[in-house]
Amino acid sequence: ETGVTQSPTHLIKTRGQQVTLRCSSQSGHNTVSWYQQALGQGPQFIFQYYREEENGRGNFPPRFSGLQFPNYSSELNVNALELDDSALYLCASSLELAGSYEQYFGPGTRLTVT
Amino acid sequence: QKEVEQDPGPLSVPEGAIVSLNCTYSNSAFQYFMWYRQYSRKGPELLMYTYSSGNKEDGRFTAQVDKSSKYISLFIRDSQPSDSATYLCAMSAYGNNRLAFGKGNQVVVIP
Repeated sequence: ETGVTQSPTHLIKTRGQQVTLRCSSQSGHNTVSWYQQALGQGPQFIFQYYREEENGRGNFPPRFSGLQFPNYSSELNVNALELDDSALYLCASSLELAGSYEQYFGPGTRLTVT
Repeated sequence: QKEVEQDPGPLSVPEGAIVSLNCTYSNSAFQYFMWYRQYSRKGPELLMYTYSSGNKEDGRFTAQVDKSSKYISLFIRDSQPSDSATYLCAMSAYGNNRLAFGKGNQVVVIP
């Protein structure tokens, strides 16, 4: 059984650019959630995908968007990057939409916006 | 008022001591409670998961939930230097997989 993997590990972008982060969910998991963790803070929920559809969104602007693929892997896209977008982006997978609240996190992608 | 409050103050304890961490919450809909451990520059690792009031024990770790007071705790017995990490409480409501996290507590266990 493979765990949650994310790529790339680190990324440096310039303000105004666009970025795509990738996540492969744990084997057998069909739900993927994305979180943003600023330095010294707890993770903040961005959105969740279940069977390729967005299912719930946190307080993030539309320039944060995502996709989930038939194999349950997922992408997070951020347009028009701002300095405050610098953070650790975490992907978490879980087994089903309701009934299992155990989410397993990947190692994260550290994004720096200059 | 934030949904989940966790005093982020760092905690240093000698090896073998009991570590006590806690969180309070304001959202009565929260039914599921988790503790995650996060090592520096890594993703959070699920330590404990519970959905009822009372205690749940797993090895040296005990999670305690008091829904009437909206208060949860994590105790680490016989702490080891390898327990040095940030501990995050997290919770969610029934039918909603969104996790609401506390800020985290940095714990340092001194040999």
